Amino acid sequence: EPEVTQTPSHQVTQMGQEVILRCVPISNHLYFYWYRQILGQKVEFLVSFYNNEISEKSEIFDDQFSVERPDGSNFTLKIRSTKLEDSAMYFCASSGDAGELFFGEGSRLTVL
Amino acid sequence: LAKTTQPISMDSYEGQEVNITCSHNNIATNDYITWYQQFPSQGPRFIIQGYKTKVTNEVASLFIPADRKSSTLSLPRVSLSDTAVYYCLVGDYGGSQGNLIFGKGTKLSVKP
Repeated sequence: EPEVTQTPSHQVTQMGQEVILRCVPISNHLYFYWYRQILGQKVEFLVSFYNNEISEKSEIFDDQFSVERPDGSNFTLKIRSTKLEDSAMYFCASSGDAGELFFGEGSRLTVL
Repeated sequence: LAKTTQPISMDSYEGQEVNITCSHNNIATNDYITWYQQFPSQGPRFIIQGYKTKVTNEVASLFIPADRKSSTLSLPRVSLSDTAVYYCLVGDYGGSQGNLIFGKGTKLSVKP
């Protein structure tokens, strides 16, 4: 069964450092997403991406965040200067036309 | 985007049928209803999606009344491994792939 893969599974970084989280969506999907989940809280939408541009973004997705699809397979989330409150599990997801989102296993980010 | 309301938690025993109801009073004409399951430290996983009446797959059934202002996820004969958080989401998946807003979900605890 095709799946969304994410790397790294866990990253620890110092406050102020740049972080790049990587995702490989399912190959024939066209829509890509990033969500995050702070420990014990709900899953929060960050951004959706289609046709090489951002479709929608939430208030959380400020200027410190950016997304990119540098090649035909990877989809990345960059946090330019991490803050303590960026500590969370970050989930990548992709979908085709059916609307079902396929989520990866997540990347746990710990900012010290 | 339609807001959803569902119970915060539910308890059940192995072998029982579990019904989780979600309210979405301001659902729009183009909105679909989708349920996801999430285990701790894992990404949400699609369970079932419907627009109206009843949908059934190998995992669950989804009942949607004619006014579509609510929906009920039915899990037949639950087991311990069904202990998870269940999310009801409402959104338009027709082409634009609008973002999905996760609520707090229903934490289902299945006991032996």
